[in-house]
Amino acid sequence: GQQLNQSPQSMFIQEGEDVSMNCTSSSIFNTWLWYKQDPGEGPVLLIALYKAGELTSNGRLTAQFGITRKDSFLNISASIPSDVGIYFCAGGRESSGSRLTFGEGTQLTVNP
Amino acid sequence: GAGVSQSPRYKVAKRGQDVALRCDPISGHVSLFWYQQALGQGPEFLTYFQNEAQLDKSGLPSDRFFAERPEGSVSTLKIQRTQQEDSAVYLCASSKQTSGYEQYFGPGTRLTVT
Repeated sequence: GQQLNQSPQSMFIQEGEDVSMNCTSSSIFNTWLWYKQDPGEGPVLLIALYKAGELTSNGRLTAQFGITRKDSFLNISASIPSDVGIYFCAGGRESSGSRLTFGEGTQLTVNP
Repeated sequence: GAGVSQSPRYKVAKRGQDVALRCDPISGHVSLFWYQQALGQGPEFLTYFQNEAQLDKSGLPSDRFFAERPEGSVSTLKIQRTQQEDSAVYLCASSKQTSGYEQYFGPGTRLTVT
């Protein structure tokens, strides 16, 4: 079963607003990733984080690898309608080989 | 195309039928993964290949599920005697590294068992 808790489960925002979402775990992960999934499609990799405390940006997206290695955060600045979708965090750790453990997703709706 | 492709995109099976789902990974990618995604949930790991070797199959839910990648490229996920609880989207991902956390996903196959 899922071991990553994402919050919030859903968000409704106005275009132009900034968005924050997070992912927590009771276990340590040594890699955190963020994916976006559109309806009927597979998840698309947005950002990968490999070091505790790391802050990485990809355009309007910024993600952080928490210092405790048990959490990660994703921020989207100046949201636009095409940001709509489900955002998943995923964690990887050496004890689990190369498998990723996914959260349950945050559904983002952007009103124009 | 350059991405991961999966076929068929949609499959309807009667309970008890066998199904085979195909994945074409990104060319040159060493690692290949299968995940199962139930409605409203995140993907859950099923199995992993490095080249043709199946290194981890601990996520396969029962012995009705079988995966292979005989030449280290295309992979097939087979489900025997399908049950209603097998209804889900089956996602394939590939990674160019042997310990590849940066996984690139295909569009998935939506399986509906009636």
